[in-house]
Amino acid sequence: GAVVSQHPSWVICKSGTSVKIECRSLDFQATTMFWYRQFPKQSLMLMATSNEGSKATYEQGVEKDKFLINHASLTLSTLTVTSAHPEDSSFYICSAIYRGNTGELFFGEGSRLTVL
Amino acid sequence: GENVEQHPSTLSVQEGDSAVIKCTYSDSASNYFPWYKQELGKRPQLIIDIRSNVGEKKDQRIAVTLNKTAKHFSLHITETQPEDSAVYFCAASRGGTGNQFYFGTGTSLTVIP
Repeated sequence: GAVVSQHPSWVICKSGTSVKIECRSLDFQATTMFWYRQFPKQSLMLMATSNEGSKATYEQGVEKDKFLINHASLTLSTLTVTSAHPEDSSFYICSAIYRGNTGELFFGEGSRLTVL
Repeated sequence: GENVEQHPSTLSVQEGDSAVIKCTYSDSASNYFPWYKQELGKRPQLIIDIRSNVGEKKDQRIAVTLNKTAKHFSLHITETQPEDSAVYFCAASRGGTGNQFYFGTGTSLTVIP
Protein backbone atom coordinates (compact mmCIF):
# COMPACT_ATOMS: atom_id res chain seq x y z
CA GLY A 1 0.00 0.00 0.00
CA ALA A 2 0.85 3.65 -0.13
CA VAL A 3 3.03 5.27 2.51
CA VAL A 4 1.97 8.29 4.50
CA SER A 5 4.50 9.66 6.95
CA GLN A 6 3.71 11.93 9.85
CA HIS A 7 6.12 13.89 12.01
CA PRO A 8 6.65 14.26 14.90
CA SER A 9 5.33 11.10 16.52
CA TRP A 10 5.41 12.63 19.98
CA VAL A 11 5.48 16.23 21.06
CA ILE A 12 5.25 17.88 24.44
CA CYS A 13 4.81 21.61 24.64
CA LYS A 14 3.97 24.32 27.12
CA SER A 15 0.57 25.90 27.23
CA GLY A 16 0.35 28.91 24.92
CA THR A 17 2.90 27.72 22.39
CA SER A 18 2.24 26.49 18.86
CA VAL A 19 3.01 23.07 17.45
CA LYS A 20 3.33 22.06 13.81
CA ILE A 21 2.66 18.53 12.59
CA GLU A 22 3.67 17.44 9.11
CA CYS A 23 2.01 14.84 6.93
CA ARG A 24 3.73 13.60 3.80
CA SER A 25 2.70 11.18 1.09
CA LEU A 26 5.99 9.47 0.31
CA ASP A 27 5.34 7.60 -2.90
CA PHE A 28 2.30 9.24 -4.40
CA GLN A 29 0.70 12.61 -4.88
CA ALA A 30 -2.25 13.46 -2.72
CA THR A 31 -4.52 16.27 -3.78
CA THR A 32 -6.57 15.69 -0.67
CA MET A 33 -5.50 14.87 2.84
CA PHE A 34 -7.62 14.55 5.94
CA TRP A 35 -6.80 15.41 9.53
CA TYR A 36 -8.35 13.44 12.34
CA ARG A 37 -8.29 13.70 16.08
CA GLN A 38 -8.63 10.65 18.26
CA PHE A 39 -9.30 10.55 21.99
CA PRO A 40 -8.43 7.44 23.99
CA LYS A 41 -10.66 4.49 23.17
CA GLN A 42 -12.71 6.57 20.76
CA SER A 43 -13.19 6.74 17.04
CA LEU A 44 -11.54 9.00 14.51
CA MET A 45 -13.04 12.47 14.47
CA LEU A 46 -12.59 14.28 11.18
CA MET A 47 -11.26 17.77 11.81
CA ALA A 48 -10.70 19.08 8.32
CA THR A 49 -10.13 18.24 4.70
CA SER A 50 -6.93 19.63 3.28
CA ASN A 51 -6.90 20.45 -0.42
CA GLU A 52 -3.68 21.22 -2.27
CA GLY A 53 -3.54 24.83 -3.34
CA SER A 54 -6.73 25.91 -1.65
CA LYS A 55 -8.16 26.54 1.79
CA ALA A 56 -8.96 23.63 4.02
CA THR A 57 -12.54 22.68 4.73
CA TYR A 58 -13.21 22.44 8.45
CA GLU A 59 -15.80 20.30 10.16
CA GLN A 60 -18.41 21.94 12.32
CA GLY A 61 -17.07 22.83 15.73
CA VAL A 62 -13.41 22.87 14.70
CA GLU A 63 -11.80 26.29 15.05
CA LYS A 64 -9.94 27.13 11.87
CA ASP A 65 -7.90 29.83 13.57
CA LYS A 66 -6.72 27.40 16.19
CA PHE A 67 -5.99 24.48 13.90
CA LEU A 68 -4.21 25.97 10.91
CA ILE A 69 -3.91 23.67 7.92
CA ASN A 70 -1.66 24.30 4.95
CA HIS A 71 -1.45 21.99 1.94
CA ALA A 72 1.34 23.66 0.03
CA SER A 73 2.26 20.78 -2.27
CA LEU A 74 0.88 17.49 -3.54
CA THR A 75 2.92 15.59 -0.97
CA LEU A 76 2.78 17.76 2.13
CA SER A 77 0.08 19.01 4.47
CA THR A 78 0.73 20.62 7.83
CA LEU A 79 -1.44 21.09 10.88
CA THR A 80 -0.45 23.83 13.32
CA VAL A 81 -2.08 23.86 16.72
CA THR A 82 -1.85 27.49 17.77
CA SER A 83 -1.78 28.71 21.37
CA ALA A 84 -2.09 25.14 22.57
CA HIS A 85 -3.88 24.36 25.81
CA PRO A 86 -4.06 21.13 27.83
CA GLU A 87 -7.45 20.31 26.32
CA ASP A 88 -5.75 20.16 22.92
CA SER A 89 -3.76 17.15 24.08
CA SER A 90 -4.73 14.30 21.81
CA PHE A 91 -3.66 11.89 19.08
CA TYR A 92 -3.72 13.62 15.70
CA ILE A 93 -3.67 11.48 12.56
CA CYS A 94 -3.48 12.52 8.96
CA SER A 95 -4.52 10.46 5.97
CA ALA A 96 -4.36 10.68 2.23
CA ILE A 97 -6.32 9.18 -0.60
CA TYR A 98 -4.33 6.97 -2.91
CA ARG A 99 -4.97 5.84 -6.48
CA GLY A 100 -7.11 8.73 -7.56
CA ASN A 101 -10.69 7.77 -8.10
CA THR A 102 -10.43 4.32 -6.52
CA GLY A 103 -10.09 6.19 -3.31
CA GLU A 104 -8.18 4.01 -0.89
CA LEU A 105 -7.32 5.87 2.30
CA PHE A 106 -4.01 5.45 4.08
CA PHE A 107 -3.00 6.89 7.43
CA GLY A 108 0.10 8.47 8.85
CA GLU A 109 1.63 7.15 12.05
CA GLY A 110 -0.14 9.73 14.16
CA SER A 111 1.22 12.43 16.44
CA ARG A 112 0.59 12.40 20.16
CA LEU A 113 0.44 15.92 21.48
CA THR A 114 0.72 16.64 25.19
CA VAL A 115 0.25 20.20 26.32
CA LEU A 116 1.49 20.95 29.81
CA GLY B 1 -24.33 13.50 5.49
CA GLU B 2 -23.38 9.89 6.00
CA ASN B 3 -23.94 8.15 9.33
CA VAL B 4 -22.06 4.95 10.06
CA GLU B 5 -23.00 2.82 13.04
CA GLN B 6 -20.88 -0.06 14.26
CA HIS B 7 -21.66 -2.95 16.62
CA PRO B 8 -20.59 -4.32 18.97
CA SER B 9 -18.32 -1.83 20.72
CA THR B 10 -16.44 -4.63 22.44
CA LEU B 11 -16.07 -8.27 21.52
CA SER B 12 -14.25 -11.11 23.24
CA VAL B 13 -13.76 -14.48 21.60
CA GLN B 14 -11.76 -17.59 22.33
CA GLU B 15 -8.78 -18.24 20.14
CA GLY B 16 -9.85 -20.21 17.11
CA ASP B 17 -13.42 -18.97 17.16
CA SER B 18 -14.89 -16.54 14.65
CA ALA B 19 -15.58 -12.84 15.18
CA VAL B 20 -18.18 -10.78 13.36
CA ILE B 21 -18.46 -6.99 13.39
CA LYS B 22 -21.38 -5.23 11.74
CA CYS B 23 -21.82 -1.74 10.35
CA THR B 24 -24.73 0.12 8.84
CA TYR B 25 -24.66 3.25 6.73
CA SER B 26 -27.24 5.77 5.69
CA ASP B 27 -26.07 7.30 2.41
CA SER B 28 -27.12 5.20 -0.56
CA ALA B 29 -24.46 6.98 -2.64
CA SER B 30 -21.66 5.44 -0.58
CA ASN B 31 -19.90 2.86 -2.70
CA TYR B 32 -16.64 2.06 -0.96
CA PHE B 33 -16.40 0.35 2.41
CA PRO B 34 -12.98 -0.24 3.96
CA TRP B 35 -12.12 -1.86 7.26
CA TYR B 36 -9.21 -0.74 9.40
CA LYS B 37 -7.36 -2.41 12.25
CA GLN B 38 -5.75 -0.18 14.84
CA GLU B 39 -3.40 -1.44 17.50
CA LEU B 40 -2.82 0.64 20.60
CA GLY B 41 -0.93 3.83 19.84
CA LYS B 42 -0.53 3.01 16.17
CA ARG B 43 -2.07 4.10 12.92
CA PRO B 44 -5.16 2.44 11.48
CA GLN B 45 -4.18 -0.13 8.88
CA LEU B 46 -6.38 -1.02 5.94
CA ILE B 47 -7.08 -4.75 6.16
CA ILE B 48 -9.81 -5.29 3.59
CA ASP B 49 -12.28 -3.28 1.58
CA ILE B 50 -15.29 -3.84 -0.63
CA ARG B 51 -16.99 -1.82 -3.33
CA SER B 52 -20.67 -1.64 -4.03
CA ASN B 53 -20.49 -3.79 -7.15
CA VAL B 54 -19.41 -6.79 -5.09
CA GLY B 55 -21.33 -8.68 -2.41
CA GLU B 56 -18.47 -10.47 -0.72
CA LYS B 57 -14.70 -10.39 -0.63
CA LYS B 58 -12.31 -12.71 1.14
CA ASP B 59 -8.63 -12.54 2.02
CA GLN B 60 -7.39 -15.58 3.91
CA ARG B 61 -9.04 -15.47 7.35
CA ILE B 62 -10.77 -12.16 6.75
CA ALA B 63 -13.93 -11.61 4.76
CA VAL B 64 -16.32 -8.74 4.24
CA THR B 65 -19.92 -8.92 3.08
CA LEU B 66 -22.07 -6.10 1.76
CA ASN B 67 -25.83 -5.82 1.53
CA LYS B 68 -26.60 -2.68 -0.45
CA THR B 69 -30.33 -3.01 -0.10
CA ALA B 70 -30.17 -3.11 3.67
CA LYS B 71 -27.20 -0.74 3.76
CA HIS B 72 -25.06 -2.90 5.98
CA PHE B 73 -21.69 -4.56 5.74
CA SER B 74 -19.86 -6.94 8.03
CA LEU B 75 -16.34 -8.04 8.81
CA HIS B 76 -15.77 -11.73 9.48
CA ILE B 77 -12.58 -13.05 11.03
CA THR B 78 -12.23 -16.82 11.21
CA GLU B 79 -9.80 -18.89 13.24
CA THR B 80 -8.99 -15.89 15.41
CA GLN B 81 -5.54 -15.52 16.91
CA PRO B 82 -4.29 -13.37 19.81
CA GLU B 83 -2.61 -11.01 17.35
CA ASP B 84 -6.05 -10.20 15.94
CA SER B 85 -6.73 -8.32 19.18
CA ALA B 86 -7.12 -4.65 18.26
CA VAL B 87 -9.72 -2.00 17.55
CA TYR B 88 -11.48 -2.38 14.22
CA PHE B 89 -13.13 0.51 12.38
CA CYS B 90 -15.49 0.34 9.46
CA ALA B 91 -15.89 3.27 7.10
CA ALA B 92 -18.02 4.38 4.20
CA SER B 93 -17.20 6.71 1.35
CA ARG B 94 -18.60 7.85 -1.97
CA GLY B 95 -15.21 7.13 -3.39
CA GLY B 96 -13.02 9.28 -5.54
CA THR B 97 -10.41 11.81 -4.66
CA GLY B 98 -11.63 14.35 -2.16
CA ASN B 99 -14.62 12.41 -0.92
CA GLN B 100 -14.78 12.08 2.84
CA PHE B 101 -14.61 8.86 4.77
CA TYR B 102 -17.09 8.38 7.58
CA PHE B 103 -15.98 6.05 10.33
CA GLY B 104 -17.85 3.81 12.70
CA THR B 105 -17.23 4.11 16.42
CA GLY B 106 -14.93 1.11 16.53
CA THR B 107 -14.98 -2.39 17.97
CA SER B 108 -12.43 -3.48 20.51
CA LEU B 109 -11.72 -7.14 19.79
CA THR B 110 -10.00 -9.31 22.36
CA VAL B 111 -8.95 -12.83 21.42
CA ILE B 112 -8.45 -14.93 24.53
CA PRO B 113 -5.67 -17.51 24.21
